[in-house]
Amino acid sequence: GAVVSQHPSRVICKSGTSVKIECRSLDFQATTMFWYRQFPKQSLMLMATSNEGSKATYEQGVEKDKFLINHASLTLSTLTVTSAHPEDSSFYICSAYSGAPYNEQFFGPGTRLTVL
Amino acid sequence: AQKITQTQPGMFVQEKEAVTLDCTYDTSDQSYGLFWYKQPSSGEMIFLIYQGSYDEQNATEGRYSLNFQKARKSANLVISASQLGDSAMYFCAMREGRQAGTALIFGKGTTLSVSS
Repeated sequence: GAVVSQHPSRVICKSGTSVKIECRSLDFQATTMFWYRQFPKQSLMLMATSNEGSKATYEQGVEKDKFLINHASLTLSTLTVTSAHPEDSSFYICSAYSGAPYNEQFFGPGTRLTVL
Repeated sequence: AQKITQTQPGMFVQEKEAVTLDCTYDTSDQSYGLFWYKQPSSGEMIFLIYQGSYDEQNATEGRYSLNFQKARKSANLVISASQLGDSAMYFCAMREGRQAGTALIFGKGTTLSVSS
């Protein structure tokens, strides 16, 4: 199956700093990527949908200026958490949609963000 | 109203026994897809099984089968012959509409614990 990577897998940062998380499709081109957030023992909540070459579509309640998403190429989407605060500590997971032949979505391994 | 409902926060089963994890869904779309994912403590999302709304037969993948009851809008996961490695969180998810490149909606998950 297709492979999606995320980097870093784990990051600890100080409050007020910005953190960038990368999501890469390694062996396919992803026209659409999704970013989810998951708090401990809870469900995955969709944050935004990112299409290559266009602005991301954010879910209600997700601050666009705080969670900057860039999908500059067909294999890379980035999520930047700006001015991070402890409440932003969470598990961030991306998924990438592959057209033919898979025609399916594949998840990255996730990034655990801890803001001190 | 919740789109995906998983009513069992936790389930306990002994090795080699079968277990059913419940999932009900709510959609007005005629075309949709239902998924089950396993999430171990590492956080990665492992795809288990898929059922399309027009599929007449219940999906099966090795020890996993999906008990699809369309009229009841339920899509329960059955794991036969449980193994210790099955201990994890399990999520039911739905994709609405015909497009495969649509975000998934997740339930709250069920934590499965398998004991020897």
